This record gives sequence, C-alpha cells and structure tokens, in this order.
Amino acid sequence: SQQGEEDPQALSIQEGENATMNCSYKTSINNLQWYRQNSGRGLVHLILIRSNEREKHSGRLRVTLDTSKKSSSLLITASRAADTASYFCATHPYMNRDDKIIFGKGTRLHILP
Amino acid sequence: DAGITQSPRYKITETGRQVTLMCHQTWSHSYMFWYRQDLGHGLRLIYYSAAADITDKGEVPDGYVVSRSKTENFPLTLESATRSQTSVYFCASSAASLVRNEQFFGPGTRLTVL
Repeated sequence: SQQGEEDPQALSIQEGENATMNCSYKTSINNLQWYRQNSGRGLVHLILIRSNEREKHSGRLRVTLDTSKKSSSLLITASRAADTASYFCATHPYMNRDDKIIFGKGTRLHILP
Repeated sequence: DAGITQSPRYKITETGRQVTLMCHQTWSHSYMFWYRQDLGHGLRLIYYSAAADITDKGEVPDGYVVSRSKTENFPLTLESATRSQTSVYFCASSAASLVRNEQFFGPGTRLTVL
C-alpha cells in the first residue's frame, strides 16, 4: 500500500541548476521524510518535516509541506555531480503508533557536467 | 564499528535452499526493519520489530521468517528461496520516537536465487 508518490520519476539537469522533486500522499500524516540513495548503497536520511511545519532547510536542501494538498517538495539548490542519486519521500501516517513509514518509488536525479 | 551492518553483502543461492540474512546495529535502537527493493516497486516492508521478541508483518511477508532475540540483531530467513525473492534487501533501525523516527539503513544484501 503505497502512500507517497514522487514526481517526476527521473530528472536530468545541468550542474549548478536547481532540482525540484515532488511527493504526493493520500492520508493524513505525522511527518514526512526525504531520503537519498546513491547507486548501490543504502538510503540516507536527509530531512524530516512535521505535519505542523511548512518549510525546513538543511544546507542546500529546502523542503516544503502543504498538508491541505497532501504534497511536499524537495528543492536542491546549486546542484553538484555528487547529488546524482535517487530521492525518496516517506510518510508516517497519522494513525500509526509505531515507527513504520511508507516509502514512495523515488525520483532518479542525474546531474549533467 | 558503530552503525548498522548487514551480512553477507552478496549471496547467490538455489531455489529451495534456506538463506539467512544478518543485520546488526550498535545504537540500541528499539525498531528494526527489513525491506526489499526491486525495480518498479521501490522499497517494500517485509517485517519489522518494535523491540526484542516483538515482530510484525509488513507489506510482503510471505516466504520470510524473522526473529529478534536480542535488541541489536534482526536476522531475516528465507525458508525455501524462490526466484521471485531475488532482490536487494535492506535492514534499517530507528529510535522509537513518533516525533523523530528517521530510519538508518544498512548497506544492503544483494541476493540472487537461481
């Protein structure tokens, strides 16, 4: 049962440009998280935004959350070759009383030199 | 070393054989998870555990068995491997907080069932 869905599925941009990925979900949430996965590696947590927050920043990352539209966006500014990876959103449904989160299928980001 | 480790990193087995994938974490996290990752499906939860001796099914538990006798270990066993279980398996852990429940992932085990 998939909760989050990322858009686009794949994205190629020039180094230095900004990359924006979107995530839509279906049910109310406690929080939404973004993860990065480099090729052949495990996922790495990037940022968590709670349902009562609208925007969070971490370095070159900016995450927004619109609970009325059930959507989130991840913006990576001034992209670098090292940002090439897959990016996943994961939601913690409101009714969950455990740590289980639900991952989307991810956006594959490719930074062109 | 601190963190979460998985072994083996690569495994080739034959249909019908039993295979156990190991996962070990050093943070004393309460929660541990097993996912499989396949093209087109993203990450799917197989089983998870809230604490030692407490396990629950995830989205795709059939054909898998887990145990958690110690907080730091969460082995995943394929009792009779099938080709459809060829996948990359990830173990993860989290610290049991509804406020900050980010998960920490191991490096993965690539399993091929012939």
